[in-house]
Amino acid sequence: AQKITQTQPGMFVQEKEAVTLDCTYDTSDPSYGLFWYKQPSSGEMIFLIYQGSYDQQNATEGRYSLNFQKARKSANLVISASQLGDSAMYFCAMREGNNQGGKLIFGQGTELSVKP
Amino acid sequence: GAVVSQHPSWVICKSGTSVKIECRSLDFQATTMFWYRQFPKQSLMLMATSNEGSKATYEQGVEKDKFLINHASLTLSTLTVTSAHPEDSSFYICSASPRTVNQPQHFGDGTRLSIL
Repeated sequence: AQKITQTQPGMFVQEKEAVTLDCTYDTSDPSYGLFWYKQPSSGEMIFLIYQGSYDQQNATEGRYSLNFQKARKSANLVISASQLGDSAMYFCAMREGNNQGGKLIFGQGTELSVKP
Repeated sequence: GAVVSQHPSWVICKSGTSVKIECRSLDFQATTMFWYRQFPKQSLMLMATSNEGSKATYEQGVEKDKFLINHASLTLSTLTVTSAHPEDSSFYICSASPRTVNQPQHFGDGTRLSIL
């Protein structure tokens, strides 16, 4: 069964506007971590933001924020004030358990295009 | 911040040859590293978990004899694609996580493998 689901294969956003990338997950483990990574066309994976299952507040990192709705099992990424350099693939990922060695399971990805 | 180095970045070789890809954690020790494979416009698929000093754990469907993994030290894991064929052409990327709990995985820049 798919554990991480990103339902938006592609998204367009106007420069300087905000955009929300959707991510839903499924796990029976009460302890887990949720991650968002950015992958430009060059291929490297850039860590953006992390949310732990026990974190009380939504994570924020600069222009990135994570809208964590635990009951709905969703962890949407919000990018504010989009820039042309934000055009890339975005992956949501989950790590089950609290083990730093735990493997990541990735969603299908969303390709974001920022229009000038 | 934690840095993972992957080498080489590009490999083009003839069918039947073996290719070795190195993944190094430059400023931290990693008892566990991960190897992923990615086809164009698709997500990262975990191939195996590389464990320092012991055998790798392969995901279902991944051929152990085709993709040899060695994790001889706390800073180096290698993936050898044996007797490579055109269908092995792909983007291979490794990751490692510092021992600190809840640290994100840090990725190498990936290796683009093309088998002629």
